[in-house]
Amino acid sequence: GAVVSQHPSWVICKSGTSVKIECRSLDFQATTMFWYRQFPKQSLMLMATSNEGSKATYEQGVEKDKFLINHASLTLSTLTVTSAHPEDSSFYICSARDAGDSYEQYFGPGTRLTVT
Amino acid sequence: GQNIDQPTEMTATEGAIVQINCTYQTSGFNGLFWYQQHAGEAPTFLSYNVLDGLEEKGRFSSFLSRSKGYSYLLLKELQMKDSASYLCAVSGDFNDYKLSFGAGTTVTVRA
Repeated sequence: GAVVSQHPSWVICKSGTSVKIECRSLDFQATTMFWYRQFPKQSLMLMATSNEGSKATYEQGVEKDKFLINHASLTLSTLTVTSAHPEDSSFYICSARDAGDSYEQYFGPGTRLTVT
Repeated sequence: GQNIDQPTEMTATEGAIVQINCTYQTSGFNGLFWYQQHAGEAPTFLSYNVLDGLEEKGRFSSFLSRSKGYSYLLLKELQMKDSASYLCAVSGDFNDYKLSFGAGTTVTVRA
């Protein structure tokens, strides 16, 4: 089956620093990748949609200058949390849609970000 | 906007059956998904319904009624490993494939 990886799986950073999270589709080409955020005991909230070679589309209330998304190739999208603050601590999950698939999204294992 | 409701918690005994309901009100509809998520892990795909009716896949079945904005996930022959959060998600638009998730139902299976 289709596999999506994320790196790192967990990261601790100091307030004010930036953190980059990578999302890779390992065995398929992903024209579209999605970035979600999940707070404890809450559901996944879509942050943005990332299309290869174009600018990401952000959901309402998500600061595009704070959460920088780059989708430079058909297998890699990155999310950079800039000037992180403790309230950005969360579980960040990406998913990827196979261009040849009609509906399914494949989820990465998630990245646990803790900002101290 | 998108509104997806499901119960917060359910408890059942090993070997029993549990039904998790999901109601939705969305601006469009292009399919309903069920995912299983264990604590600290990413969601794993369970089922997809786009037409009315029942889809059966082993111990898991999912039902959809588009006219009622209603779906359920049926878990049979419950096992301890089925203890997890079950997420109902709706794809509202054919063109963008974005998913809107419900808050999730935590199922606890007891011996």
